[in-house]
Amino acid sequence: RKEVEQDPGPFNVPEGATVAFNCTYSNSASQSFFWYRQDCRKEPKLLMSVYSSGNEDGRFTAQLNRASQYISLLIRDSKLSDSATYLCVVTLSGNTPLVFGKGTRLSVIA
Amino acid sequence: NAGVTQTPKFRVLKTGQSMTLLCAQDMNHEYMYWYRQDPGMGLRLIHYSVGEGTTAKGEVPDGYNVSRLKKQNFLLGLESAAPSQTSVYFCASSYRGRYEQYFGPGTRLTVT
Repeated sequence: RKEVEQDPGPFNVPEGATVAFNCTYSNSASQSFFWYRQDCRKEPKLLMSVYSSGNEDGRFTAQLNRASQYISLLIRDSKLSDSATYLCVVTLSGNTPLVFGKGTRLSVIA
Repeated sequence: NAGVTQTPKFRVLKTGQSMTLLCAQDMNHEYMYWYRQDPGMGLRLIHYSVGEGTTAKGEVPDGYNVSRLKKQNFLLGLESAAPSQTSVYFCASSYRGRYEQYFGPGTRLTVT
């Protein structure tokens, strides 16, 4: 079983739609969780950290379910500019490197 | 601040040639990383460094060597390039292992 698994998509949604991605992780000892965004032919950039209590940043909401070992990202009122690949990222503890999922591709259509 | 920079941006090599990719960061980060990204494979960690003078192997280290002589620089070397090393290479840095990583713009390498 891979450490971090994501549905590769693509998710094709119309502007204004709400879309949700899930990501599962295999190691129950994982401690830190993030969502990164990668535009085509660009470097990944941090979208948001994921906290145990869940967190929201504008149209984006991230949730963590430790019992089921999954992380979710909800995007409301999708914009054309949200089209990108979203990477789920976890780390075990302390100073171990981040582990990246392969990403979920989102296409927002006018 | 420039953040993380990578040199060169593009390169074409012939099989068997060698080259060095340079990564520099100006954020005083302790940790630095080299990844490769191939279609359908996601980001794969090649080598990383937890501080000046130290390096460690990642998921796919074979065929690559690294050096971290200065805190701000992390070099990735290919001693004898192979077509399987055709990829996009990203460097990243972070304060510690579990903190946000900042990525450079990438180097697109083609080995013919």
